[in-house]
Amino acid sequence: DAKTTQPPSMDCAEGRAANLPCNHSTISGNEYVYWYRQIHSQGPQYIIHGLKNNETNEMASLIITEDRKSSTLILPHATLRDTAVYYCIVRVPGNQFYFGTGTSLTVIP
Amino acid sequence: GAGVSQSPSNKVTEKGKDVELRCDPISGHTALYWYRQSLGQGLEFLIYFQGNSAPDKSGLPSDRFSAERTGGSVSTLTIQRTQQEDSAVYLCASSFRATLSTDTQYFGPGTRLTVL
Repeated sequence: DAKTTQPPSMDCAEGRAANLPCNHSTISGNEYVYWYRQIHSQGPQYIIHGLKNNETNEMASLIITEDRKSSTLILPHATLRDTAVYYCIVRVPGNQFYFGTGTSLTVIP
Repeated sequence: GAGVSQSPSNKVTEKGKDVELRCDPISGHTALYWYRQSLGQGLEFLIYFQGNSAPDKSGLPSDRFSAERTGGSVSTLTIQRTQQEDSAVYLCASSFRATLSTDTQYFGPGTRLTVL
């Protein structure tokens, strides 16, 4: 599976949109982009996934560039409870997940 | 319904001892994963079971580590002759079927292993 690159940390003001970038320049056509997050001392939690179309659910939106070499997770109105480590993963269904080190997002009051 | 459960929640052992960590996946989930997370680090994949297929053991760090899944449900991760560098949180996850693009992993609370 392709590797991903994420900034190690980001800050976001409470109530603002948090935009978390991910580069996956070697992604192949059958690899999906997944986002999980891990709040301190808990197991990771699924957020959203997509192949090439933009996706939205009750938690977040996922924007994937047309060439699929990068994506952005958007938390539209960040709250203090969104402070967590966010992992971007690319994966072929049936393969294991490689989580990497993620982006540590801090939402500031 | 019940989520993924793991036991024990904490385990302290002496160097050289064997330990067994248990994972009870969500009922009906065919895929089961083990990861470990050292302090301040990301998740490291260890092993993955999908149904009755041979497990993917490519992430096991040494032959001291092994895992089995009995009856397609409960899984046990065994670490023999523990070393201090084995100290970490061991996380288990299960999913309905890993070959689906919509496959979502649900994680347990983890077992914190400390090797003295």
